[in-house]
Amino acid sequence: TQLLEQSPQFLSIQEGENLTVYCNSSSVFSSLQWYRQEPGEGPVLLVTVVTGGEVKKLKRLTFQFGDARKDSSLHITAAQPGDTGLYLCAGESGNTPLVFGKGTRLSVIA
Amino acid sequence: GAVVSQHPSRVICKSGTSVKIECRSLDFQATTMFWYRQFPKQSLMLMATSNEGSKATYEQGVEKDKFLINHASLTLSTLTVTSAHPEDSSFYICSARVTGGLGSPLHFGNGTRLTVT
Repeated sequence: TQLLEQSPQFLSIQEGENLTVYCNSSSVFSSLQWYRQEPGEGPVLLVTVVTGGEVKKLKRLTFQFGDARKDSSLHITAAQPGDTGLYLCAGESGNTPLVFGKGTRLSVIA
Repeated sequence: GAVVSQHPSRVICKSGTSVKIECRSLDFQATTMFWYRQFPKQSLMLMATSNEGSKATYEQGVEKDKFLINHASLTLSTLTVTSAHPEDSSFYICSARVTGGLGSPLHFGNGTRLTVT
Protein backbone atom coordinates (compact mmCIF):
# COMPACT_ATOMS: atom_id res chain seq x y z
CA THR A 1 0.00 0.00 0.00
CA GLN A 2 1.36 3.36 -1.01
CA LEU A 3 1.34 5.94 1.76
CA LEU A 4 1.89 9.65 1.67
CA GLU A 5 2.97 11.37 4.87
CA GLN A 6 2.30 15.05 5.11
CA SER A 7 3.86 17.42 7.60
CA PRO A 8 3.11 19.43 9.50
CA GLN A 9 -0.44 18.35 10.18
CA PHE A 10 -1.41 21.77 11.49
CA LEU A 11 0.20 25.14 10.92
CA SER A 12 -0.83 28.52 12.26
CA ILE A 13 1.18 31.53 11.13
CA GLN A 14 0.98 35.29 10.91
CA GLU A 15 0.24 37.08 7.67
CA GLY A 16 3.43 37.77 5.73
CA GLU A 17 5.35 34.73 6.98
CA ASN A 18 6.71 32.00 4.75
CA LEU A 19 5.96 28.31 5.19
CA THR A 20 6.74 24.93 3.69
CA VAL A 21 4.58 21.83 3.67
CA TYR A 22 6.14 18.44 3.01
CA CYS A 23 4.79 15.32 1.41
CA ASN A 24 6.90 12.17 1.74
CA SER A 25 6.63 8.54 0.77
CA SER A 26 8.76 5.44 0.50
CA SER A 27 7.08 4.73 -2.83
CA VAL A 28 7.84 6.20 -6.22
CA PHE A 29 5.01 8.08 -7.87
CA SER A 30 4.57 8.73 -11.56
CA SER A 31 2.85 12.00 -10.74
CA LEU A 32 1.98 14.02 -7.71
CA GLN A 33 -0.74 16.59 -7.31
CA TRP A 34 -1.45 19.29 -4.74
CA TYR A 35 -4.98 20.30 -3.86
CA ARG A 36 -6.46 22.95 -1.60
CA GLN A 37 -9.78 22.38 0.12
CA GLU A 38 -11.98 24.84 1.97
CA PRO A 39 -14.57 23.74 4.54
CA GLY A 40 -17.69 22.24 3.02
CA GLU A 41 -16.24 22.11 -0.48
CA GLY A 42 -14.41 19.64 -2.65
CA PRO A 43 -10.64 19.88 -3.20
CA VAL A 44 -9.40 22.14 -5.98
CA LEU A 45 -6.30 21.24 -7.95
CA LEU A 46 -3.34 23.59 -7.56
CA VAL A 47 -0.64 21.82 -9.55
CA THR A 48 0.53 18.51 -11.00
CA VAL A 49 4.20 17.52 -11.13
CA VAL A 50 5.40 14.55 -13.14
CA THR A 51 9.16 14.93 -13.60
CA GLY A 52 11.73 14.27 -10.85
CA GLY A 53 13.29 17.55 -9.74
CA GLU A 54 10.52 19.57 -11.33
CA VAL A 55 9.72 22.97 -9.85
CA LYS A 56 6.50 24.81 -10.59
CA LYS A 57 5.44 28.23 -9.44
CA LEU A 58 1.93 29.53 -9.02
CA LYS A 59 2.12 33.14 -7.88
CA ARG A 60 3.37 32.92 -4.28
CA LEU A 61 3.29 29.11 -4.25
CA THR A 62 6.30 27.03 -5.26
CA PHE A 63 5.96 23.30 -5.74
CA GLN A 64 8.85 20.87 -6.03
CA PHE A 65 8.93 17.19 -6.93
CA GLY A 66 11.86 15.27 -5.49
CA ASP A 67 14.50 13.86 -7.81
CA ALA A 68 13.50 10.31 -6.89
CA ARG A 69 9.79 11.15 -7.24
CA LYS A 70 9.10 10.01 -3.69
CA ASP A 71 8.53 13.38 -2.10
CA SER A 72 7.28 16.86 -2.77
CA SER A 73 7.09 20.21 -1.08
CA LEU A 74 4.87 23.24 -1.21
CA HIS A 75 6.37 26.59 -0.22
CA ILE A 76 4.21 29.66 0.29
CA THR A 77 5.83 33.07 0.37
CA ALA A 78 4.29 35.96 2.30
CA ALA A 79 1.21 34.01 3.35
CA GLN A 80 -2.13 35.77 3.32
CA PRO A 81 -5.39 34.99 5.17
CA GLY A 82 -6.83 33.85 1.85
CA ASP A 83 -4.30 31.00 1.83
CA THR A 84 -6.07 29.42 4.81
CA GLY A 85 -7.32 25.93 4.06
CA LEU A 86 -6.51 22.24 3.95
CA TYR A 87 -3.63 21.40 1.62
CA LEU A 88 -3.58 17.86 0.29
CA CYS A 89 -0.93 16.08 -1.69
CA ALA A 90 -1.95 13.11 -3.78
CA GLY A 91 0.14 10.69 -5.76
CA GLU A 92 -0.46 8.01 -8.31
CA SER A 93 1.55 5.30 -9.96
CA GLY A 94 0.56 3.05 -12.80
CA ASN A 95 -3.09 2.10 -12.65
CA THR A 96 -3.50 2.54 -8.92
CA PRO A 97 -6.07 5.12 -7.78
CA LEU A 98 -4.89 8.45 -6.52
CA VAL A 99 -3.61 8.21 -2.93
CA PHE A 100 -4.06 11.22 -0.67
CA GLY A 101 -1.92 12.38 2.20
CA LYS A 102 -3.62 13.28 5.47
CA GLY A 103 -3.41 16.96 4.72
CA THR A 104 -1.96 20.06 6.28
CA ARG A 105 -4.41 22.46 7.82
CA LEU A 106 -3.06 25.98 7.39
CA SER A 107 -4.37 28.99 9.25
CA VAL A 108 -3.01 32.41 8.34
CA ILE A 109 -3.82 35.07 10.89
CA ALA A 110 -4.13 38.70 9.83
CA GLY B 1 -12.93 24.10 -17.14
CA ALA B 2 -14.31 20.69 -16.33
CA VAL B 3 -17.13 20.72 -13.80
CA VAL B 4 -18.38 17.97 -11.58
CA SER B 5 -21.74 18.55 -9.93
CA GLN B 6 -22.80 16.71 -6.79
CA HIS B 7 -26.29 16.64 -5.35
CA PRO B 8 -27.54 17.10 -2.72
CA SER B 9 -25.03 19.25 -0.89
CA ARG B 10 -26.58 18.43 2.46
CA VAL B 11 -28.95 15.72 3.59
CA ILE B 12 -30.31 14.68 6.95
CA CYS B 13 -31.98 11.31 7.24
CA LYS B 14 -33.26 9.02 9.93
CA SER B 15 -31.44 5.88 10.94
CA GLY B 16 -32.48 2.93 8.82
CA THR B 17 -33.40 4.88 5.72
CA SER B 18 -31.46 5.05 2.45
CA VAL B 19 -29.93 8.09 0.82
CA LYS B 20 -28.88 8.56 -2.81
CA ILE B 21 -26.12 10.95 -3.82
CA GLU B 22 -25.64 11.94 -7.45
CA CYS B 23 -22.42 12.88 -9.18
CA ARG B 24 -22.56 14.38 -12.67
CA SER B 25 -19.86 15.42 -15.08
CA LEU B 26 -21.38 18.49 -16.70
CA ASP B 27 -19.18 19.16 -19.72
CA PHE B 28 -17.24 15.97 -20.27
CA GLN B 29 -17.75 12.23 -20.30
CA ALA B 30 -16.32 10.21 -17.46
CA THR B 31 -15.94 6.45 -17.84
CA THR B 32 -14.54 6.36 -14.34
CA MET B 33 -15.61 8.26 -11.27
CA PHE B 34 -14.32 7.99 -7.74
CA TRP B 35 -16.17 8.17 -4.44
CA TYR B 36 -14.40 9.43 -1.35
CA ARG B 37 -15.37 9.79 2.28
CA GLN B 38 -13.94 12.46 4.51
CA PHE B 39 -14.28 12.64 8.28
CA PRO B 40 -13.98 16.01 10.03
CA LYS B 41 -10.49 17.48 9.77
CA GLN B 42 -9.19 14.40 8.02
CA SER B 43 -8.11 13.54 4.52
CA LEU B 44 -10.03 11.84 1.75
CA MET B 45 -10.42 8.09 1.90
CA LEU B 46 -11.19 6.37 -1.37
CA MET B 47 -14.28 4.21 -1.03
CA ALA B 48 -14.74 2.90 -4.53
CA THR B 49 -14.06 3.38 -8.19
CA SER B 50 -17.19 3.64 -10.29
CA ASN B 51 -16.95 2.23 -13.80
CA GLU B 52 -19.51 3.06 -16.48
CA GLY B 53 -21.39 -0.02 -17.56
CA SER B 54 -19.72 -2.38 -15.11
CA LYS B 55 -19.43 -3.12 -11.43
CA ALA B 56 -17.72 -0.71 -9.11
CA THR B 57 -14.41 -1.60 -7.52
CA TYR B 58 -14.52 -1.20 -3.77
CA GLU B 59 -11.59 -0.50 -1.48
CA GLN B 60 -10.79 -2.91 1.31
CA GLY B 61 -13.12 -2.50 4.26
CA VAL B 62 -15.91 -0.79 2.33
CA GLU B 63 -19.17 -2.73 2.36
CA LYS B 64 -20.44 -3.00 -1.21
CA ASP B 65 -23.93 -3.95 -0.04
CA LYS B 66 -24.15 -0.87 2.11
CA PHE B 67 -22.68 1.62 -0.33
CA LEU B 68 -24.33 0.85 -3.65
CA ILE B 69 -22.76 2.46 -6.69
CA ASN B 70 -24.42 2.75 -10.07
CA HIS B 71 -22.64 4.29 -13.07
CA ALA B 72 -25.35 3.97 -15.68
CA SER B 73 -24.15 6.64 -18.10
CA LEU B 74 -20.96 8.47 -19.04
CA THR B 75 -22.05 11.53 -17.09
CA LEU B 76 -23.72 10.15 -13.98
CA SER B 77 -22.67 8.01 -11.05
CA THR B 78 -24.78 7.51 -7.94
CA LEU B 79 -23.87 6.40 -4.44
CA THR B 80 -26.68 5.01 -2.29
CA VAL B 81 -26.08 4.64 1.42
CA THR B 82 -28.48 1.89 2.43
CA SER B 83 -29.90 1.42 5.92
CA ALA B 84 -27.97 4.42 7.13
CA HIS B 85 -26.69 4.59 10.69
CA PRO B 86 -25.27 7.54 12.64
CA GLU B 87 -21.73 6.26 12.04
CA ASP B 88 -22.32 6.76 8.31
CA SER B 89 -22.55 10.49 8.93
CA SER B 90 -19.72 12.02 6.94
CA PHE B 91 -18.74 14.20 3.99
CA TYR B 92 -18.96 12.24 0.75
CA ILE B 93 -17.13 13.57 -2.32
CA CYS B 94 -17.08 12.32 -5.88
CA SER B 95 -14.52 13.05 -8.56
CA ALA B 96 -13.83 12.32 -12.20
CA ARG B 97 -11.02 12.70 -14.67
CA VAL B 98 -11.31 14.49 -17.98
CA THR B 99 -8.72 12.18 -19.54
CA GLY B 100 -6.87 9.16 -18.28
CA GLY B 101 -3.41 10.36 -19.19
CA LEU B 102 -0.49 10.50 -16.77
CA GLY B 103 -0.94 13.23 -14.23
CA SER B 104 -4.38 14.18 -15.46
CA PRO B 105 -6.11 15.86 -12.55
CA LEU B 106 -9.24 14.86 -10.74
CA HIS B 107 -12.12 17.28 -10.75
CA PHE B 108 -14.11 17.12 -7.56
CA GLY B 109 -17.71 17.76 -6.75
CA ASN B 110 -18.49 20.05 -3.85
CA GLY B 111 -19.38 17.15 -1.62
CA THR B 112 -22.45 15.95 0.25
CA ARG B 113 -22.72 16.37 3.99
CA LEU B 114 -24.72 13.39 5.27
CA THR B 115 -26.12 13.47 8.79
CA VAL B 116 -27.91 10.39 10.07
CA THR B 117 -30.01 10.96 13.16
